[in-house]
Amino acid sequence: DAGITQSPRHKVTETGTPVTLRCHQTENHRYMYWYRQDPGHGLRLIHYSYGVKDTDKGEVSDGYSVSRSKTEDFLLTLESATSSQTSVYFCAISESGAEYGYTFGSGTRLTVV
Amino acid sequence: SQKIEQNSEALNIQEGKTATLTCNYTNYSPAYLQWYRQDPGRGPVFLLLIRENEKEKRKERLKVTFDTTLKQSLFHITASQPADSATYLCALDHVDSNYQLIWGAGTKLIIKP
Repeated sequence: DAGITQSPRHKVTETGTPVTLRCHQTENHRYMYWYRQDPGHGLRLIHYSYGVKDTDKGEVSDGYSVSRSKTEDFLLTLESATSSQTSVYFCAISESGAEYGYTFGSGTRLTVV
Repeated sequence: SQKIEQNSEALNIQEGKTATLTCNYTNYSPAYLQWYRQDPGRGPVFLLLIRENEKEKRKERLKVTFDTTLKQSLFHITASQPADSATYLCALDHVDSNYQLIWGAGTKLIIKP
C-alpha cells in the first residue's frame, strides 16, 4: 500500500499488557484514522486525527488511546489488552475527510491471549 | 437504529456477466457514498465516490448509482472477470459522527470462470 505502512503486521500479546500499533504515512495527508475489523461487522472507527496533536474519539474508543506528534505518524495504544480487542486493525489516511476516498494500510492482526 | 446493510451472503456470478451489489441504509442523509474493494489479508482499496446530487458514476467497467429516495446504492461490474472476486464494502458519511464514514460489513463476490 503505497504511502502508508503499519507495524507490526502480526502480534500476539497477553491479556493486561499494553500494546502500541504504528501507522506511518508519506503522503502528508491531514486526516488519519484507526479502525478495527471483525467478522460480520463493518469497519468501526476507534480514533481519528485531523492534524498534529488533534485527535477525536470514534464509536469504539473505550480501552484505546492515540497520539499524533508528527504529521506522518499516528500511534494506537491499547492500555491494557483484553481478549475482546483481538481483531484486525487498519490505519487509513485521507486528504480532506470523508469527501474523498481513504487509503488504507495493510493492517495489523492482533491476538490477545 | 441507524444501519447500513449489504448482503451478507456471497454473490456467485458467471464470468462475463454483470455483477450487481446492493448497499441499503436507514436513518441517514449522507452527502457521499463510497465503494471499496477488499482482498483477503489486505486493506480496503477505494474504488468510487458518488455524491448525493449524482445519480450515477462510472469508472471503466464499474458503475455506481445512488438513490436517496430509496436509500440505496447499487454497484455494478460489467463483463466480470475472476480477478474481480473480492469483498466489496460500501461506506457513507454521517452528520452525527462528524461526517466520519460509517461502513457496511461487505459482500463477497465470486466470479466463476
